Amino acid sequence: AQSVAQPEDQVNVAEGNPLTVKCTYSVSGNPYLFWYVQYPNRGLQFLLKYITGDNLVKGSYGFEAEFNKSQTSFHLKKPSALVSDSALYFCAVRDISYSGAGSYQLTFGKGTKLSVIP
Amino acid sequence: EAQVTQNPRYLITVTGKKLTVTCSQNMNHEYMSWYRQDPGLGLRQIYYSMNVEVTDKGDVPEGYKVSRKEKRNFPLILESPSPNQTSLYFCASSSILAGGETQYFGPGTRLLVL
Repeated sequence: AQSVAQPEDQVNVAEGNPLTVKCTYSVSGNPYLFWYVQYPNRGLQFLLKYITGDNLVKGSYGFEAEFNKSQTSFHLKKPSALVSDSALYFCAVRDISYSGAGSYQLTFGKGTKLSVIP
Repeated sequence: EAQVTQNPRYLITVTGKKLTVTCSQNMNHEYMSWYRQDPGLGLRQIYYSMNVEVTDKGDVPEGYKVSRKEKRNFPLILESPSPNQTSLYFCASSSILAGGETQYFGPGTRLLVL
């Protein structure tokens, strides 16, 4: 079974400072990893994904994430936080070692609320 | 504009009164899925569909039904809603032919069952 852990319910960071939102995962095979963001009263928006290749993935709005296979982590980072980055962030994993319908299932973490303080 | 739409966006109902939440996508995606979001639990998959007339249970299917008669539509049916189905519901779709890598989400339907 696949699972995702986001160990922090909330992350507070001052505007202009670097931010990190943590994610660790567990799969039996190889993972596809995703970050989604949810702004208040909105649906989930795709930020970035790791499929294969370079471990450092760049995404929308200046976000990036680093895939670390040995630590089974996929932390989300941004060099300089903006107040407008305040939102709920979800990490998700898909285990591609399966075939068929089950291989398309995404498992989400519980979410981390990011608050950027002016 | 490529999008996933859901209706209604907000719904208040009473226990036992059947309801349907519609979901439609205009991207010709094969894969569609329903999730519910609850505080502290993240998103959990209810049902998914790989294509027309092909549906299967996700992690929390009890109390829900779905159908996939057309490729673009994937309605979620609550035959006899109960208060524990009060939640925020999201529909999502992705293209299997493109690898199914990225799921696109609708804006959500907030349901309150009294």
